[in-house]
Amino acid sequence: GAVVSQHPSRVICKSGTSVKIECRSLDFQATTMFWYRQFPKKSLMLMATSNEGSKATYEQGVEKDKFLINHASLTLSTLTVTSAHPEDSSFYICSAPTHTEAFFGQGTRLTVV
Amino acid sequence: GESVGLHLPTLSVQEGDNSIINCAYSNSASDYFIWYKQESGKGPQFIIDIRSNMDKRQGQRVTVLLNKTVKHLSLQIAATQPGDSAVYFCAETVTGGGNKLTFGTGTQLKVEL
Repeated sequence: GAVVSQHPSRVICKSGTSVKIECRSLDFQATTMFWYRQFPKKSLMLMATSNEGSKATYEQGVEKDKFLINHASLTLSTLTVTSAHPEDSSFYICSAPTHTEAFFGQGTRLTVV
Repeated sequence: GESVGLHLPTLSVQEGDNSIINCAYSNSASDYFIWYKQESGKGPQFIIDIRSNMDKRQGQRVTVLLNKTVKHLSLQIAATQPGDSAVYFCAETVTGGGNKLTFGTGTQLKVEL
């Protein structure tokens, strides 16, 4: 079956630094990928839609300059959390849909200290 | 046992019993619904889906019921096993809406031995 690989699974960074999270579709091409954020014991909240070859579409309330998204190829989207602060600590999950199903990455636990 | 609620409720069942997890969805235009299982620290895994032209769909040990009149979805797990312990989310989407999923609040299922 289709696989989406997300890396890293865990990252700890200092306040003020930037962190890049990668999302790869391993055996299919994805012109669209989605980035979600999940707080403990809460649901997944859609942050943005990553579009290959064009700008990402951000959900209301999500700062596009804070969460930079680049969909460089049909198999790779990256989310960069810029100038990270402790309140950015969260679980970030990417998803890539096929025409039949949405596949999710393993998630990235970001801790900003 | 059954669960319903707007917060992350917990449903505790005995191993071997049937589980019923409920979800109220919000968009009357949604026509495709999916149940996901999320284990701690991992991304969501697809369990079963249903389209709005159906009211019931069965898989292996799982059944999804859809009541469009009251915008309600349920997931039934037969003969619940310890490996079923996880958080379960329903998700809704509109066909042609760019594959965007809206997730429900989730239910924590705990299987007691």
